[in-house]
Amino acid sequence: AQTVTQSQPEMSVQEAETVTLSCTYDTSESDYYLFWYKQPPSRQMILVIRQEAYKQQNATENRFSVNFQKAAKSFSLKISDSQLGDAAMYFCAYRRIAGAQKLVFGQGTRLTINP
Amino acid sequence: EAQVTQNPRYLITVTGKKLTVTCSQNMNHEYMSWYRQDPGLGLRQIYYSMNVEVTDKGDVPEGYKVSRKEKRNFPLILESPSPNQTSLYFCASRARANYGYTFGSGTRLTVV
Repeated sequence: AQTVTQSQPEMSVQEAETVTLSCTYDTSESDYYLFWYKQPPSRQMILVIRQEAYKQQNATENRFSVNFQKAAKSFSLKISDSQLGDAAMYFCAYRRIAGAQKLVFGQGTRLTINP
Repeated sequence: EAQVTQNPRYLITVTGKKLTVTCSQNMNHEYMSWYRQDPGLGLRQIYYSMNVEVTDKGDVPEGYKVSRKEKRNFPLILESPSPNQTSLYFCASRARANYGYTFGSGTRLTVV
C-alpha cells in the first residue's frame, strides 16, 4: 500500500524568508502524481502545486517550487519570500494514475509565518 | 461558479441518531470521494464513486454508507453515529481526464 509521511508536524519562518517542507512516500508504482495542498483556517483545501512522476523537471508555481527526487521517493515544497497569507496546514498527497481513485495524504505540517 | 457544495458546515448530533451530509458538484465530474480529516492522521478516504451507481470502499468505510443515484450528488450517510466519527469531513470530485480533485468546504461533525 502507498504511504505518505510528513515528518515535520510544525514549522515556522520569518516573513520574506524561505522555508522547505519535507515529504517522503512509498510506492511500487512508476507512474503517479504528487501534490501539495494548503489548508488555511477557512478549512478549504487548495491545490498549491502538482508533479507528474514521469517528468524530471521540478514543478514551479510562482513562489512555490518542489524538489522531486524519484529514486529517493522524496517530494519537498519550497516557499520563497514567505508571506503572512502562507500560514496554513500543508498536506503532501499521492495518487496513482491508474486504478484506485484516491489521494493518499501525509499527516500535515502546520506552517507559521512570523512577522 | 464551478464548485463542490457540502452541507451542513457544522453539525452536532447525539450517538445513534441517523444523519446525512450532502455533497453536490456542478462540474459534471465522474469521480467523487469522501474523506475524513483527523489530527495527526491527515485525510483518509471513506468511500469513492467512479460514476452513477458505482461506489466502492476506501480505507475507513466502517460506519458509513454512500449512494450515487445522480452524477452530481454523493451523500454520506451515518446510520448510527458514534463519538469516534467526530471529525472533519470533505467531499471531493474530479473529471476522469483531470489530475486533481476539487474539494468542498468541509463539514465539522461532533457526535456526543
